[in-house]
Amino acid sequence: DQQVKQNSPSLSVQEGRISILNCDYTNSMFDYFLWYKKYPAEGPTFLISISSIKDKNEDGRFTVFLNKSAKHLSLHIVPSQPGDSAVYFCAASLIQGAQKLVFGQGTRLTINP
Amino acid sequence: DTEVTQTPKHLVMGMTNKKSLKCEQHMGHRAMYWYKQKAKKPPELMFVYSYEKLSINESVPSRFSPECPNSSLLNLHLHALQPEDSALYLCASSQLNGINQPQHFGDGTRLSIL
Repeated sequence: DQQVKQNSPSLSVQEGRISILNCDYTNSMFDYFLWYKKYPAEGPTFLISISSIKDKNEDGRFTVFLNKSAKHLSLHIVPSQPGDSAVYFCAASLIQGAQKLVFGQGTRLTINP
Repeated sequence: DTEVTQTPKHLVMGMTNKKSLKCEQHMGHRAMYWYKQKAKKPPELMFVYSYEKLSINESVPSRFSPECPNSSLLNLHLHALQPEDSALYLCASSQLNGINQPQHFGDGTRLSIL
């Protein structure tokens, strides 16, 4: 039973354009959502997060949108840069404080020059 | 540079060996985590320590034994592992004060069981 789903295993975007990565979840109890970026041979790096009481959070080129009614969140990267090429994981948390994170399967983003 | 340091980066061991993975953080975080990640899969939570006490064990086999000697260190003791335990083992830490604090990950230990 996969509670967090990223249905696109891969995404290819032209440099300078917008990258949109999507994530769906099934458990309405999730109250905190995060995006992580992972390069090969490195651990996941925290990018941006959003609380369930908000519908948008922005940090520089990264914006996360949350649609609670649809149980859907997305990460927008604009403009996309070659260094953004990595695997992106969506994660959701059930517990505040010490978090039990549940990860999606990941989307490999490739930015083409 | 990651602020969570894991050693060793690579470990090859036989099924009868005993070894330990080490994780260290100096960010003052009071929650520490162990995850297991298989190839082309997402990280899966194994253990959570809050204030140096084990708070979550995700039904992990007893051949994996966690230990949190102090607020900066987290160990994972390995004994009699199976070939299917070969994976990347990730450590993470987070604040416990306030709500919605992100976890910060180390670069992991890649473990191979012969």
